[in-house]
Amino acid sequence: QVQLVESGGGVVQPGRSLGLSCVVSGFSFSDYGMQWVRQAPGKGLEWVALISFDGRKENYRDSVKGRFTISRDNSKNTLSLQMNSLTPEDTALYYCAKTNLKYCSGSTCLQSAFDNWGQGTRVTVSS
Amino acid sequence: QSVLTQPPSVSGAPGQRVTISCTGSSSNIGVGYDVHWYQHVPGTAPKLLIYDNTNRPSGVPARFSGSRSGASASLAITGLQAEDEADYYCQSYDSGLSTMLFGGGTKLTVL
Repeated sequence: QVQLVESGGGVVQPGRSLGLSCVVSGFSFSDYGMQWVRQAPGKGLEWVALISFDGRKENYRDSVKGRFTISRDNSKNTLSLQMNSLTPEDTALYYCAKTNLKYCSGSTCLQSAFDNWGQGTRVTVSS
Repeated sequence: QSVLTQPPSVSGAPGQRVTISCTGSSSNIGVGYDVHWYQHVPGTAPKLLIYDNTNRPSGVPARFSGSRSGASASLAITGLQAEDEADYYCQSYDSGLSTMLFGGGTKLTVL
C-alpha cells in the first residue's frame, strides 16, 4: 500500500537550518507531483511548497520563498524540504503529500487534490 | 482571515445530517476551480474525502458528499457517527494569488 514517511524534524534555534525528508513507497513516485503542508499549533492546514513530477517546477508560499527549497530524488523515492533562516512562525507539524494527478506541473498541480499523506514530522523553532 | 471561509465549528447528534460550507470568491471557486475536502484528526495524516467538487475516492463512505455552486462549495455528512468527529478543510486554487489555498477548517463535534 501507499506509504509516506517523514523525518528530520526537531528543535532548532531561530536563524538556523533544518532539512526534512519524505520517503515514499507503494506507487510510482516519479509520476506524481508532491507537496509539503504544515500545521502550526492550534492553527489550520497551510500549504508550504510543491514540486512537479519531474522536479522541474517548484512553487512556494510567499512567506517561505527564498528560505525554503523543495526537491526530489526520483531514484530514491525521496522528497525533501531544506529550510533556512527559520523563525518561530515556522514551528509546525510538517506533512508531505502526493497529488492525485499524474504528470502535473505548476498550476495544474496546485489545482489538484492530494490523496495520500504522511503522519508528519514536528519542527520547533525556539531559542 | 482565510480566503476560503469555513464556519469554525458545526455539531450534530449521531444519525443526523450536517453540512460544512466553504465560501470563496471570483478568483477561486467562483471562476470554476475545483474544490477538494479533507478530514483531519490533528496529529494524524489528513484524509482526502472529496475531490473535484463531488467525487469520492475509493473507500470513502457514501455518507460523505460534496457540491459546488457559484463561489461556494459544501460538504455534507449524513448518518453522523462518533468517528466523524474531526476537523474538515476545503482546498482550492486562487488565480489572483497563483497559489493553492486551504480553508480555515471546521471542527465537527458529534454530540
